[in-house]
Amino acid sequence: DIQMTQSPSSLSASVGDRVTITCQASQDISNYLNWYQQKPGKAPKLLIYDASNLETGVPSRFSGSGSGTDFTFTISSLQPEDIATYYCQQYDNLAYTFGQGTKLEIK
Amino acid sequence: QVQLVESGGGLVKPGGSLRLSCAASGFTFSDYYMSWIRQAPGKGLEWVSYISSSGSTIYYADSVKGRFTISRDNAKNSLYLQMNSLRAEDTAVYYCARDGLRPVAEAFDIWGQGTMVTVSS
Repeated sequence: DIQMTQSPSSLSASVGDRVTITCQASQDISNYLNWYQQKPGKAPKLLIYDASNLETGVPSRFSGSGSGTDFTFTISSLQPEDIATYYCQQYDNLAYTFGQGTKLEIK
Repeated sequence: QVQLVESGGGLVKPGGSLRLSCAASGFTFSDYYMSWIRQAPGKGLEWVSYISSSGSTIYYADSVKGRFTISRDNAKNSLYLQMNSLRAEDTAVYYCARDGLRPVAEAFDIWGQGTMVTVSS
């Protein structure tokens, strides 16, 4: 299976900060990578697909980039409602795998 | 509105069985691939299984292969997960999710609220 490694595992930032999360795949997955947001007690929500495409209705402060094995997820200006855990997920291989998650907190 | 609603979770003893259901509404269910994804308490997400729109193509995670069976009834707009030989490590919230962006991408764009499965003696 393809392993997905996210960093950091947790992050504390202030409102208005630029926040960056990275995700590394154990092998080349082209751009077959998605990003999800999960708030406590809720189901995940798709934010970014194909590494850099914003899902319909998702605010433009969220963005993604990368290809191959290294990917980045960015929130350009952190808002209080962005407090959540973020997961990357690959779909290059049919054994879909997720990163371990990055828990984002407000400083 | 587009919605997925899971049911069938509960407490079961190790070695027991459980069948989860997922009722879809607000979209043409038969057009979409579907998956089950689980999340153990306090842990991350783990994809479990997927089924194609017609039901002809099915895949499982190695952790559940041979024990779980995914199926669908497009006439009833429903997805199922039959879970046999359950183990403590199967304890999790189970989500059904729509694989909604094909052929552009493979991504889970709609999720249910989840149903809790607890395997314990």
